[in-house]
Amino acid sequence: AQSVTQLGSHVSVSEGALVLLRCNYSSSVPPYLFWYVQYPNQGLQLLLKYTTGATLVKGINGFEAEFKKSETSFHLTKPSAHMSDAAEYFCAVSVSNDMRFGAGTRLTVKP
Amino acid sequence: KAGVTQTPRYLIKTRGQQVTLSCSPISGHRSVSWYQQTPGQGLQFLFEYFSETQRNKGNFPGRFSGRQFSNSRSEMNVSTLELGDSALYLCASSPTEAGGRSYNEQFFGPGTRLTVL
Repeated sequence: AQSVTQLGSHVSVSEGALVLLRCNYSSSVPPYLFWYVQYPNQGLQLLLKYTTGATLVKGINGFEAEFKKSETSFHLTKPSAHMSDAAEYFCAVSVSNDMRFGAGTRLTVKP
Repeated sequence: KAGVTQTPRYLIKTRGQQVTLSCSPISGHRSVSWYQQTPGQGLQFLFEYFSETQRNKGNFPGRFSGRQFSNSRSEMNVSTLELGDSALYLCASSPTEAGGRSYNEQFFGPGTRLTVL
């Protein structure tokens, strides 16, 4: 079955700095890949998704991710962090209606 | 469209009791999935329903059960509650179609926070 590994349970950046959240997946077939964000006491909100086609995917709030098949990675980036980006981020992989989530990365943004 | 709604938002129960949580998916979505989220275990998949049938199931004991109605609304039930069942229970709906591969993009509700005392 497919699986996801998120490297780093906590990431801290300064406001205005680059955000890089790492995600590696394992799948025997081409997967669909997702990044979700969760703010305190809320459900998960989709940031972006990769299904097919262009490997660089742009999402909401200035985030983007690049699907690299050779590295089995789908890292999330944002050029300049904002205080409002502080949240927990989940990478997910889906194969045949079976979605698996990573353990999550908590992003802290320092002023 | 209205989003996924979950009721109640907060619930306090004692050990041994049972609880039923409700989820109303986005209109037109036929797939409903349930997840348990805890600080220690993260997001864990409970089960998925599609057209009133359980299509996928996670690795949870039989105390956890669910069902889906003809209008796609779903309920999950936990019997004989244990302290470890305290968690945020998230419901997600998806516009999955019956045939062919789906994107399985899931839309989440705000969750039900269950506390077992």
